[in-house]
Amino acid sequence: KAGVTQTPRYLIKTRGQQVTLSCSPISGHRSVSWYQQTPGQGLQFLFEYFSETQRNKGNFPGRFSGRQFSNSRSEMNVSTLELGDSALYLCASSLAAGFDFYNEQFFGPGTRLTVL
Amino acid sequence: GNSVTQMEGPVTLSEEAFLTINCTYTATGYPSLFWYVQYPGEGLQLLLKATKADDKGSNKGFEATYRKETTSFHLEKGSVQVSDSAVYFCAPHSGNTPLVFGKGTRLSVIA
Repeated sequence: KAGVTQTPRYLIKTRGQQVTLSCSPISGHRSVSWYQQTPGQGLQFLFEYFSETQRNKGNFPGRFSGRQFSNSRSEMNVSTLELGDSALYLCASSLAAGFDFYNEQFFGPGTRLTVL
Repeated sequence: GNSVTQMEGPVTLSEEAFLTINCTYTATGYPSLFWYVQYPGEGLQLLLKATKADDKGSNKGFEATYRKETTSFHLEKGSVQVSDSAVYFCAPHSGNTPLVFGKGTRLSVIA
């Protein structure tokens, strides 16, 4: 079956702009999590959505937001972009909510965001 | 919260060499332990896992043993291949909290 897809794969924006990234989970998966990956900070958890509700949130400013649609597809939005937002944004889907050991997460290839 | 320390890379090895990537962790409770791998241009994939002390996780020739007394979960492979070139992440997990990843160790295997 198809894996997690993310669009676009690459994006270039300038400071102050906003951006929306999209994630389509594996069919049947209802949970979507987002991560930011940078060389300095590594992988950091942004938020998790299940059944259109945000269940967990990482330690990021309010400029970072997300939502999930009834078909489990998710979007994340970053407003007022800063240079430090340049990163690889990864989406992961899983069958159930939460981070129980048995609830394996499957990652997409990521969206590479560059802020100039 | 949980945290993890991985050896800094990059690690460069010749094909068929022995690989060890060190990982030590701090965690609340009794964590499960994971190794994830990220191949170039791809997202992370679960490589192996272990749920309790002295368990050995294994997959694709890679192994890691859950050492509770030393809070370690070192990744090993007896003979690496060029196709193993990737970034490897160690991650402890406990409770219903998000995975906390190490900063990753980049492995380059040369023929």
